[in-house]
Amino acid sequence: RKEVEQDPGPFNVPEGATVAFNCTYSNSASQSFFWYRQDCRKEPKLLMSVYSSGNEDGRFTAQLNRASQYISLLIRDSKLSDSATYLCVVSLGGYKLIFGSGTRLLVRP
Amino acid sequence: ETGVTQTPRHLVMGMTNKKSLKCEQHLGHNAMYWYKQSAKKPLELMFVYNFKEQTENNSVPSRFSPECPNSSHLFLHLHTLQPEDSALYLCASSQEQADPYEQYFGPGTRLTVT
Repeated sequence: RKEVEQDPGPFNVPEGATVAFNCTYSNSASQSFFWYRQDCRKEPKLLMSVYSSGNEDGRFTAQLNRASQYISLLIRDSKLSDSATYLCVVSLGGYKLIFGSGTRLLVRP
Repeated sequence: ETGVTQTPRHLVMGMTNKKSLKCEQHLGHNAMYWYKQSAKKPLELMFVYNFKEQTENNSVPSRFSPECPNSSHLFLHLHTLQPEDSALYLCASSQEQADPYEQYFGPGTRLTVT
């Protein structure tokens, strides 16, 4: 079983749509959770950390369900510039990050 | 604009060649990392250096040899590579104890082994 599992997509949505990505992780001792964004042929960049109480940053909302070992990312009012691959990332603590393979999002005009 | 630079950006090498990848971070971080990203696979952590000391070697073959002369520079020396080593090699850095914790990535070196 993969340590971090994501639906690879692609999710193809029109501008203005709301889209949600899910991610599951296998190690219940995981302590920290993140969403990174990776544009085509570019490096990953931190989008947001995911906190136990859930957190929101503009159009982006992240949720964590420790009991189900499940993380989600909701994007409201999708923009063309949101087209990218979204990487679910988990840490057991410290510097070691475990990356999912990513979910690809395509936002069409 | 990234605070982590990598050179070269693209590299084509034969299986008998020796080459080196270079990474430099301008962020004052104390930890540096090498990752491998192959098509449709997750990023794989290869090596971690914390305050110039190697703290992780993720079962990487010896044909990959890291070097960290100081906390701002990181090298990956390559020799007798195999075609399956073709991938995007990403360098990253981070500040220990930072909150929120974040790794900053360089643009990567796209390596093709022929």
